[in-house]
Amino acid sequence: AQSVTQLDSQVPVFEEAPVELRCNYSSSVSVYLFWYVQYPNQGLQLLLKYLSGSTLVKGINGFEAEFNKSQTSFHLRKPSVHISDTAEYFCAVSEDDMRFGAGTRLTVKP
Amino acid sequence: DAGVIQSPRHEVTEMGQEVTLRCKPISGHNSLFWYRQTMMRGLELLIYFNNNVPIDDSGMPEDRFSAKMPNASFSTLKIQPSEPRDSAVYFCASSLTGTAEKLFFGSGTQLSVL
Repeated sequence: AQSVTQLDSQVPVFEEAPVELRCNYSSSVSVYLFWYVQYPNQGLQLLLKYLSGSTLVKGINGFEAEFNKSQTSFHLRKPSVHISDTAEYFCAVSEDDMRFGAGTRLTVKP
Repeated sequence: DAGVIQSPRHEVTEMGQEVTLRCKPISGHNSLFWYRQTMMRGLELLIYFNNNVPIDDSGMPEDRFSAKMPNASFSTLKIQPSEPRDSAVYFCASSLTGTAEKLFFGSGTQLSVL
């Protein structure tokens, strides 16, 4: 079965700095990859997804992710973060069903 | 559309009591998922349905947990009897046609078992 590993449980950064949240996956077949964001006391919302085609995927709120098949990675990036980006971010892989990573808490400090 | 609707928003109960969590998926969505979120284990898939049929319930912790989807617009997750270790946030999500599609999440049910 597929699985996802998010390498950082917490990432603190200063406002307007770039950020990268790391995600590695394992799967025996072609997969679909997703990044979701969770704000406090809310459900998850989709940031972006990779199904096929271009390996660089652009999502909402200025986020983008790059699918790297050789490294089995799908890291999330943003060139300049805002205070409002403070949230929990989940990487997910879909094969037979949707499996989520443990999450990375991004804290943006002024 | 109002999105995925879960009820109750919060549930506090005593150990041994039966707990029923409810979910109304987005109209027209064919797949429904139940997840449990805790600090220790993150977001765990409990069960998912496709066209009201349970496809994979391997994530259901034990026999105390059961889920039903009697029709396309309603699902329940029942815990009987409940235990303190069941305390978590339970999320319901739906998608149009399965796991390759975007999941739409409800706001969750915060369950506390005392």
